[in-house]
Amino acid sequence: GAVVSQHPSWVICKSGTSVKIECRSLDFQATTMFWYRQFPKQSLMLMATSNEGSKATYEQGVEKDKFLINHASLTLSTLTVTSAHPEDSSFYICSARQPDRDYEQYFGPGTRLTVT
Amino acid sequence: GQNIDQPSEMTATEGAIVQINCTYQTSGFNGLFWYQQHAGEAPTFLSYNVLDGLEEKGRFSSFLSRSKGYSYLLLKELQMKDSASYLCAVVSNDYKLSFGAGTTVTVRA
Repeated sequence: GAVVSQHPSWVICKSGTSVKIECRSLDFQATTMFWYRQFPKQSLMLMATSNEGSKATYEQGVEKDKFLINHASLTLSTLTVTSAHPEDSSFYICSARQPDRDYEQYFGPGTRLTVT
Repeated sequence: GQNIDQPSEMTATEGAIVQINCTYQTSGFNGLFWYQQHAGEAPTFLSYNVLDGLEEKGRFSSFLSRSKGYSYLLLKELQMKDSASYLCAVVSNDYKLSFGAGTTVTVRA
C-alpha cells in the first residue's frame, strides 16, 4: 500500500512554455502533499505544501505565480511550471502524507524536467 | 531555521560496515528519517527515529540522540546494491521534512 505515482516521468519543453506534473496517491487519501525540487548532486528542497481544498503554502524563495499548485481532490495534486526557463530544469518529486500515519511521507518516482 | 549536516561522500568495501552521521539543529523536532536514493529515482524509506536509542532493521540500523542533535545510519554487510545516496531528514512541527545534502556511499568489490 501507500503508492504514489507521478506523470510524466520525464518531459522536455521549450523555454517559455508551461508544463504540468501530476501527483497521485493510488491507494490512500492524501490530505497533504508536498512538492520538492532536486538539482543534480543536491538534496531535496521543499517547494510547497499542498492541502486538499485550500491554497498551497510556498517556501521562502519559491514563486507561487511561477509554480502553480492545485490539490483538487484527496488523491491528486498538480504542479504547473509556467513560462519555463532552462534554470527550471530539475528533478521534481512529490510526496503524500496519510492523515493517520504520523509523519511518514510516501514519495512519487519523480519527474525529470528539461527546458531547452 | 533548519541546519542538517552529513558527510558528502563515503567509500567502503563489500561486506564491510559503514556509519553515516547526521547532526541537526532545527526549530521543532518530531523525528528523524533516513532515506536511500539511487540516482534518478525517488527516495525510499529506511528508518524513522523519534525516541533516543537504536532501531535495528536487518542490515540497517539507525540511532538517535535528541539531546545531542545527532543520528547515525549503520549499514552492515555492505553489498554492491547499497551504493546510493543516503538522506537524513528531520520532521518539524508542521509535518515538513528538511533534508540534509545527502551522503553518497560507494561500495567497492
